[in-house]
Amino acid sequence: EDKVVQSPLSLVVHEGDTVTLNCSYEVTNFRSLLWYKQEKKAPTFLFMLTSSGIEKKSGRLSSILDKKELSSILNITATQTGDSAIYLCAVGGDNNAGNMLTFGGGTRLMVKP
Amino acid sequence: ETGVTQSPTHLIKTRGQQVTLRCSSQSGHNTVSWYQQALGQGPQFIFQYYREEENGRGNFPPRFSGLQFPNYSSELNVNALELDDSALYLCASSSPGHQETQYFGPGTRLLVL
Repeated sequence: EDKVVQSPLSLVVHEGDTVTLNCSYEVTNFRSLLWYKQEKKAPTFLFMLTSSGIEKKSGRLSSILDKKELSSILNITATQTGDSAIYLCAVGGDNNAGNMLTFGGGTRLMVKP
Repeated sequence: ETGVTQSPTHLIKTRGQQVTLRCSSQSGHNTVSWYQQALGQGPQFIFQYYREEENGRGNFPPRFSGLQFPNYSSELNVNALELDDSALYLCASSSPGHQETQYFGPGTRLLVL
């Protein structure tokens, strides 16, 4: 059974701090790893990482995939209060369930002014 | 470009009742996936529809069923509701050739009493 574990469960930082969120996975025939930001309801897509694209960056957010360690990190630099959210990691694998994503439990980030 | 929309936004039902949730996919997207997100947890895959057929299913009982229509919109039906079905139900759509990059709607929050 595919499995995704995120750490830490929650994190409180102050504006301007840099944070690193972790995601480790066990999946049958890995295809992709995705990061989402969930503020109220709808998870918002951030990045997708694959074997051919192991590093992505957008503004203050960046993510790296380590296929050897079966893990990924999401970095946020110069955090702002608007970064407060739950960050979800999901993995897509080659299984019998279509293009399902297996999600971790999320990391709840709170950025204080 | 219209994003993924879902209706209703929230719903209260009693045990044993049936419920239908609706989802309109993002323009140009032909694949729809449904997820259940219990409080404090990551989303769990229910099933996926592609070309009006179920394209994969997670570990959910048969009382969870779905449909996809020719315009790619979709319905999730849950029969014989149980208290544990209380959750946020998320619909996600993806485009042809990029089915793993899933874009989520705002969800329907279901409360079963």
